[in-house]
Amino acid sequence: NAGVTQTPKFRVLKTGQSMTLLCAQDMNHEYMYWYRQDPGMGLRLIHYSVGEGTTAKGEVPDGYNVSRLKKQNFLLGLESAAPSQTSVYFCASSYPVGPRGQETQYFGPGTRLLVL
Amino acid sequence: AQKITQTQPGMFVQEKEAVTLDCTYDTSDQSYGLFWYKQPSSGEMIFLIYQGSYDEQNATEGRYSLNFQKARKSANLVISASQLGDSAMYFCAMREGRGFGNEKLTFGTGTRLTIIP
Repeated sequence: NAGVTQTPKFRVLKTGQSMTLLCAQDMNHEYMYWYRQDPGMGLRLIHYSVGEGTTAKGEVPDGYNVSRLKKQNFLLGLESAAPSQTSVYFCASSYPVGPRGQETQYFGPGTRLLVL
Repeated sequence: AQKITQTQPGMFVQEKEAVTLDCTYDTSDQSYGLFWYKQPSSGEMIFLIYQGSYDEQNATEGRYSLNFQKARKSANLVISASQLGDSAMYFCAMREGRGFGNEKLTFGTGTRLTIIP
């Protein structure tokens, strides 16, 4: 049981290049999320998905696209990377939120991205 | 306005002492939940404890407890008998509402806790 995995762990891009970050979970979770973490900013939600084939915007969606073609995978794409997208990216997954609301999100190990 | 405020950027605590990490929140929802996560230097986010707005008791999980003061809108994390392994960043987060459509968490900026031997 690997939990939430992210590929790659670290990447360096030049401005204008594109890339895709892959998130995979083996917990059969319906919900998946992409966050970015910047110094002094905490985690900010980029996009999320409440099921296969669905996606929604979070707090900071500009410059990113996502796809959820399979329940276990959630892809984050950068079409034209910018230095402002240098960050640590975390994927998370969870069960649907129930009546008590206690369902926690399970996080991957993170991807460190540097855009030059 | 910030939804989650953690006013202590860094704290230094002697080993074996108790430590309180502050978290205040802002919401107009009556139904909400508060989470605490730990992020060690290795980077992963580890869930510690949850408190629902309608929970009558303060949450406890081993050495972690949550001092929930609803009227003050505070949800402070208390770690008893601190250990060197408690050195990490700690994040408070809130989920507003319950059920479908209320999946998102809002995070605070974190507190870096350092335990001194």
